[in-house]
Amino acid sequence: QSVLTQPPSASGTPGQRVTISCSGSSSDIGSNTVNWYQQVPGTAPKLLIHSNNQRPSGVPDRFSGSKSGTSASLAISGLQSEDEADYYCAAWGDSLNGPVFGGGTKLTVL
Amino acid sequence: QVQLVQSGAEVKKPGASVKVSCKTSGYTFTSYVITWVRQAPGQGLEWMGWINTYNGNTNYAHKLQGRVTMTTDTSTSTAYMELRSLRSDDTAVYFCARRIAAVGTMPDYWGQGTLVTVSS
Repeated sequence: QSVLTQPPSASGTPGQRVTISCSGSSSDIGSNTVNWYQQVPGTAPKLLIHSNNQRPSGVPDRFSGSKSGTSASLAISGLQSEDEADYYCAAWGDSLNGPVFGGGTKLTVL
Repeated sequence: QVQLVQSGAEVKKPGASVKVSCKTSGYTFTSYVITWVRQAPGQGLEWMGWINTYNGNTNYAHKLQGRVTMTTDTSTSTAYMELRSLRSDDTAVYFCARRIAAVGTMPDYWGQGTLVTVSS
């Protein structure tokens, strides 16, 4: 059972905007920044968003992140077929002294 | 460019040990912590622990304490993760990832993963 809570699945059609939520607690999201990772099955996770809303170089601006209190969300606008992947939220867990992850959301582009 | 290259897939019997390597390049090894994360088939990401490559300090996930050891070889910029007394539920892809050596920072670059299969 994952520490952070994400919906198991999400879907959208090309061009649509989809959002994925991530819920935590005061000892993880509530007191630390949130990262989002994209994972195509069979490959390593790729950093998509760091520090709640910052995109690393090379990540399209179609991807955006936000955080409020103990929750965070990832938004993908102008959905493309190549966005079909698993998405994980993560934050530092104060009690673990290490990162905690969401269970992942499988995004399907219809 | 930053690279973390892991050792190849392993098949082990229950009760055996496995040691996975993670050779890094493209950055100053001792400026970053190496974190290990595993992913069981069809499951999410599970943090295993981290090692501070500068001073060797470690922090292991509670459920793995006593079975896991993380080490580094600074001369070759390589990190290692050894897991002992393997069980079938240790079957997973094991990833190494680096993060800035400060509390609260999260992994940015990841290795390609190493599949460890535990089967009799």
